[in-house]
Amino acid sequence: QKEVEQDPGPLSVPEGAIVSLNCTYSNSAFQYFMWYRQYSRKGPELLMYTYSSGNKEDGRFTAQVDKSSKYISLFIRDSQPSDSATYLCAMSAPGSARQLTFGSGTQLTVLP
Amino acid sequence: ETGVTQTPRHLVMGMTNKKSLKCEQHLGHNAMYWYKQSAKKPLELMFVYNFKEQTENNSVPSRFSPECPNSSHLFLHLHTLQPEDSALYLCASRQAGTEGSNTIYFGEGSWLTVV
Repeated sequence: QKEVEQDPGPLSVPEGAIVSLNCTYSNSAFQYFMWYRQYSRKGPELLMYTYSSGNKEDGRFTAQVDKSSKYISLFIRDSQPSDSATYLCAMSAPGSARQLTFGSGTQLTVLP
Repeated sequence: ETGVTQTPRHLVMGMTNKKSLKCEQHLGHNAMYWYKQSAKKPLELMFVYNFKEQTENNSVPSRFSPECPNSSHLFLHLHTLQPEDSALYLCASRQAGTEGSNTIYFGEGSWLTVV
C-alpha cells in the first residue's frame, strides 16, 4: 500500500463547477498537509498549507483535513479554465520536515 | 518567478555525455533538494542538503552526483545516463526552523531527455 493515495484522474469539469480533490494516507504521524498546483511543463507551486485537522480557506480554495479518517481534500469553487493543472497533495510528520511524501497528482481540466 | 531558478530548462544528452543541472535559490533558505518527476509517478526525493551538508541520498545511482558549494547553489552532475533517466528534475528549497518550514518551494524544473 502506498503511503499516500491520490486518484490520478483525469478529471474534467465545466467552468464554474465546484471541484473536489482528495488524498488518503496511512501514516498517522503526518501533521503537516500541503497542496501544490503544477501547470504543464512547470514546477509545482505551493497552493495551501495546513497544520493538523480543520479547514483553511484562501479565496476560491478550501483545504480540509480529517485526521481521524486520514483524508484530506481541496475544494475549488467557481472553477476557471486557468485552474486546469495537476494538483499534488503532500504531507509530512514532525521531526521529518526535510522530507515530504507526495501523492501522484490529479490532472484537472476546467472546460470553458 | 518562484525564487528558485533552474538551468537549463531543457537538456538532451547522449548516454555517454557528461552534463550538469544548476539550481540557485534567492529565498535565503538553508536546505536544498533534488527531486525526480516521471510521468504518472509521485515525486521521488533524490538528495537533501542542509546547510551545504548532504543529509540524504535516497539510493540514487552513482551516475547522478550532487554538489552544493554554498546554501544558495546546488548542482546535479550527470554522466553515462540511461534512457529511463529521462524525466523532469526539480530543485527545491526550504527554510528550516520557521513557521511553515515543512513547505518547500520548487523551481521550474529541468526537462532531461536521454537518447
